[in-house]
Amino acid sequence: DQQVKQNSPSLSVQEGRISILNCDYTNSMFDYFLWYKKYPAEGPTFLISISSIKDKNEDGRFTVFLNKSAKHLSLHIVPSQPGDSAVYFCAASGRGSQGNLIFGKGTKLSVKP
Amino acid sequence: DTGVSQNPRHKITKRGQNVTFRCDPISEHNRLYWYRQTLGQGPEFLTYFQNEAQLEKSRLLSDRFSAERPKGSFSTLEIQRTEQGDSAMYLCASSLVGGYYEQYFGPGTRLTVT
Repeated sequence: DQQVKQNSPSLSVQEGRISILNCDYTNSMFDYFLWYKKYPAEGPTFLISISSIKDKNEDGRFTVFLNKSAKHLSLHIVPSQPGDSAVYFCAASGRGSQGNLIFGKGTKLSVKP
Repeated sequence: DTGVSQNPRHKITKRGQNVTFRCDPISEHNRLYWYRQTLGQGPEFLTYFQNEAQLEKSRLLSDRFSAERPKGSFSTLEIQRTEQGDSAMYLCASSLVGGYYEQYFGPGTRLTVT
């Protein structure tokens, strides 16, 4: 059973518009959430994170929203750029996990010029 | 470059052979993690070290897999008697200890078992 789910395998967005990537989790012990971006043949690159004491965190064009009651988080990219085209992974960790991350299967974002 | 480095980047081996991968973490990071990623999946946790101590191992880490971090710096992951199912990207990550710290990943080692 998947504890972190990214239900959209792919997303296509026009350059300049907003990209919204979604992630759901099932384990209520998770208290730290991260988004990673991955290009082919490279390791995941850390983008942004949020702890469960917050409901929003911003870093430039990237904003992560956390809805604890719904066990849902989302990554907003505004404005989207062609260089943002990559696979985005949602990851979570929690108390007692010693910090190892549980990843979703990823969403492939394509930003079209 | 002070990021996480992994060697080799690619390894092709025949079934039944042993392989060893190396990971050099970011120098001030005490924690080092190994993950495995197969096609269409996110990275899956294998094991992690805090300094030289191996503190947790996943059920994915069969008896054929062994990892070491002898001096609390670089780490090696060895797979003995490789099987075709071991073909995957092996990723190493490192982080600081305690609280909420992001993990930084290396470029990975792509293993192909023929």
